[in-house]
Amino acid sequence: GAVVSQHPSWVICKSGTSVKIECRSLDFQATTMFWYRQFPKQSLMLMATSNEGSKATYEQGVEKDKFLINHASLTLSTLTVTSAHPEDSSFYICSAKTSGGWVDTQYFGPGTRLTVL
Amino acid sequence: EDQVTQSPEALRLQEGESSSLNCSYTVSGLRGLFWYRQDPGKGPEFLFTLYSAGEEKEKERLKATLTKKESFLHITAPKPEDSATYLCAVQARGISSGSARQLTFGSGTQLTVLP
Repeated sequence: GAVVSQHPSWVICKSGTSVKIECRSLDFQATTMFWYRQFPKQSLMLMATSNEGSKATYEQGVEKDKFLINHASLTLSTLTVTSAHPEDSSFYICSAKTSGGWVDTQYFGPGTRLTVL
Repeated sequence: EDQVTQSPEALRLQEGESSSLNCSYTVSGLRGLFWYRQDPGKGPEFLFTLYSAGEEKEKERLKATLTKKESFLHITAPKPEDSATYLCAVQARGISSGSARQLTFGSGTQLTVLP
C-alpha cells in the first residue's frame, strides 16, 4: 500500500520550454502532496506544499510563477516548470501524505530527472 | 528552527559487520521521527516512524531506536543490498492544536556494504 508514482521518470528539454511532471497516489487519497528538489549528494529541499482544491504554499525562495503547482484531485498533483533554464536541472521528487492518527507519514514517488539544455 | 544532523556522512562496512547510524535532532515538540532509505536516482522509501523516546521498531536487519535527542538505525549483519543512503527526518508539532510542521530532513548517511 501507499504507492506514489511520478511521470515522466526523466525528461530532457531545451531552454525556454515548459515541462510538466505528474505525481499520483495510486492506492490512497492524498489531501496533501509535497514537491521536493534534490541536488547531487544533497538532501531533499521542500519546494511547496500542495493541498487539493487550493493554492499551493511555496517555501521561501521558490518562485511560484516559475514552478506552477496544481492539485486538482485527491490523487493527482502536477508541477510545471515554466520557461526552464539549465539551472532548473535537478531531481524533482513528490510525496503524498497519509494521516495515521497523530503522525502524518509521507510516501515518496520515484522522482523525475530534469535536464535542461 | 528544527535541525537534523546525521552521522557519519559515509560508512563502509564489510558484509556481516554490524553498525549504527546516528540522527541527532533539535525540535520544539516532536510529533514523529522518520527513517527513509534512498537508492541512487530513486525517491526515498519509507522505513520507520518513531513517536516517543524509548520506542523501537524493527524490519529485517534494521532496528530504529529513539531518545529525546537522537535516533539510531542499527544494521545487523548487513548485506550488499543494504547499500543506500539512509535519511532521517523529523516532524514537529505545529502552532495550532493537532497541526504539524513540514518534515525536516538530515543530509543522510551513505552506506556501502562490501561483499
